[in-house]
Amino acid sequence: NAGVTQTPKFRVLKTGQSMTLLCAQDMNHEYMYWYRQDPGMGLRLIHYSVGEGTTAKGEVPDGYNVSRLKKQNFLLGLESAAPSQTSVYFCASSHNPTAPSHNEQFFGPGTRLTVL
Amino acid sequence: AQSVTQLGSHVSVSEGALVLLRCNYSSSVPPYLFWYVQYPNQGLQLLLKYTSAATLVKGINGFEAEFKKSETSFHLTKPSAHMSDAAEYFCAVRANRGGGADGLTFGKGTHLIIQP
Repeated sequence: NAGVTQTPKFRVLKTGQSMTLLCAQDMNHEYMYWYRQDPGMGLRLIHYSVGEGTTAKGEVPDGYNVSRLKKQNFLLGLESAAPSQTSVYFCASSHNPTAPSHNEQFFGPGTRLTVL
Repeated sequence: AQSVTQLGSHVSVSEGALVLLRCNYSSSVPPYLFWYVQYPNQGLQLLLKYTSAATLVKGINGFEAEFKKSETSFHLTKPSAHMSDAAEYFCAVRANRGGGADGLTFGKGTHLIIQP
């Protein structure tokens, strides 16, 4: 049981380049999330998904797109990377955020992205 | 909208001393509250969560937290600090809106330093 995995672990981009971050979970969770972590800012929600084929905007969605074609995968795309998108990106998943016994989120190890 | 305030970006305690990390929340509905720990270069791991079943919540690694509605607080404590407790700690809240998944709102984090 791998839990939540993210690829790649590190990436360096030049301004204007595009890339896709992949998140995979093997816990059969319906809900998946993408966060970014910046020093002194905590984690901020970028986009989330409540199930296969659905996505929704979070707190800081500008400059990012997402897709959830398969239940186990949640992709985060940067179409034209900017230095302001230098950050550590975390994916998370949860079973049912409205159920007290199953509402915690499980996090992946993160992707460290640098945009030059 | 819900929000979380963590008092003190850095907290330093001696090994064996009491650990107290403060968290205050703002939510228009009864909240779900979480404490996560992040070790260097790793993802977030759930320490404990409050889901209205009991006001005193026990978590992993000897940590516990008490929900105080009148003070809108959810402070994290541990009676005796260990060197392995050195990490970043995040308090997070999810408003119980009864449907939909809108992720977690995180505090900015508290870096716990353990002095030998």
